Amino acid sequence: EVQLVESGGGLVQPGRSLRLSCAASGFKFDDYAMDWVRQAPGKGLEWVSGISWNSGNIGYADSVKGRFTISRDNAKNSLYLQMNSLRAEDTALYYCAKSSNYDSSGYFTGWGQGTLVTVSS
Amino acid sequence: QSALTQPASVSGSPGQSITISCTGTSSDIGSYDLVSWYQQHPGKAPKVIIYEVNKRPSGVSHRFSGSKSGNTASLTISGPQAEDEADYYCCSYTGSRTFVVFGTGTKVTVL
Repeated sequence: EVQLVESGGGLVQPGRSLRLSCAASGFKFDDYAMDWVRQAPGKGLEWVSGISWNSGNIGYADSVKGRFTISRDNAKNSLYLQMNSLRAEDTALYYCAKSSNYDSSGYFTGWGQGTLVTVSS
Repeated sequence: QSALTQPASVSGSPGQSITISCTGTSSDIGSYDLVSWYQQHPGKAPKVIIYEVNKRPSGVSHRFSGSKSGNTASLTISGPQAEDEADYYCCSYTGSRTFVVFGTGTKVTVL
């Protein structure tokens, strides 16, 4: 059974940084692309970033490009999101999602329960 | 990359069918048969119910079906049940450095 457990969320001031982690189990982690998807309170889903199985293909939403960095450690079955220069509009529940294939395609076969990031002074 | 456009809400009774549209562009929905649909109940993580336009994952009810024409994808719920009340999101591959785009979301109410 796919298990994804996010951590690292919390309250942070605007302009500061935060690093999210996602611990994966129940599947062969290094066979699949992984993504981050966020959901602001009461709002819809927004794709944030994705990384291919071998980190060779990485993409970002325009809203986070240049501020967020996605990475993975296949030896540790872990996915990360380094978030810098945080803004109030980054406040959201951040989900870790497992793609169906080695590259992101929008077909997510597993989701974590999310970690809440609140950006406020 | 702008979000795909969905109606904010739709409703229907168990004897009817509900169809949710998802309008994109020739750069996303129009170019790839990589449209997925997600169901999200309040306080829960999303769950995939349709992938690659019209395929149903194992365990998903046959009430759910998907289709695509041009730049618009659609999700149909045939004979909706109370448990189908939820938010629904379409999602498409974009083929650009922004890999994926979600729809604006649709709240489904079963009357």
